[in-house]
Amino acid sequence: NAGVTQTPKFQVLKTGQSMTLQCAQDMNHNSMYWYRQDPGMGLRLIYYSASEGTTDKGEVPNGYNVSRLNKREFSLRLESAAPSQTSVYFCASSRTLDRGYGYTFGSGTRLTVV
Amino acid sequence: AQTVTQSQPEMSVQEAETVTLSCTYDTSENNYYLFWYKQPPSRQMILVIRQEAYKQQNATENRFSVNFQKAAKSFSLKISDSQLGDTAMYFCAFIRIQGAQKLVFGQGTRLTINP
Repeated sequence: NAGVTQTPKFQVLKTGQSMTLQCAQDMNHNSMYWYRQDPGMGLRLIYYSASEGTTDKGEVPNGYNVSRLNKREFSLRLESAAPSQTSVYFCASSRTLDRGYGYTFGSGTRLTVV
Repeated sequence: AQTVTQSQPEMSVQEAETVTLSCTYDTSENNYYLFWYKQPPSRQMILVIRQEAYKQQNATENRFSVNFQKAAKSFSLKISDSQLGDTAMYFCAFIRIQGAQKLVFGQGTRLTINP
């Protein structure tokens, strides 16, 4: 049982380049999320998808777009990368009806924008 | 909006000691869940313990326990008999039961267990 799978694990981009972070879960969860982790700031929500076909902005959505491709997959796109987007990115998924279950996280993507 | 605050950026204790990590939160909700997540150097986020706000009894999981003070909006994590493998970042997190399902995290506490 893979859980939540993120690709790639590491990436270096030049300023202005674009890329898509991929995320897939095999737990039949309805809800999926993208967070970024920066030192001293914890994890901050970028976008989330409460169910297939819906997406909503989180706390720090500027510079990002998302696509909920199907129930399993939720991708994060950086259209024109900036050094301020250097961070560790986490995808997560959860059940909708049991919030006490918590989230299941992927292993993260370390992105460096130079 | 809900906020979660961890006021201890770093802590360090000797192996086998007991350590307590602090967390406070702000919400107008009456029903919610609180969590502690552990992030070791591998970067994986691991759920350590959860607490339901409407349960007065403090949650425990082996060497991990919480002190949940609802009126004070405080949720501390106690690690007993600390082990080298407890070295990690620890995040406190909050989620409301009704409304938008978004897990809100604190800033994190870096805990080092020394041999």
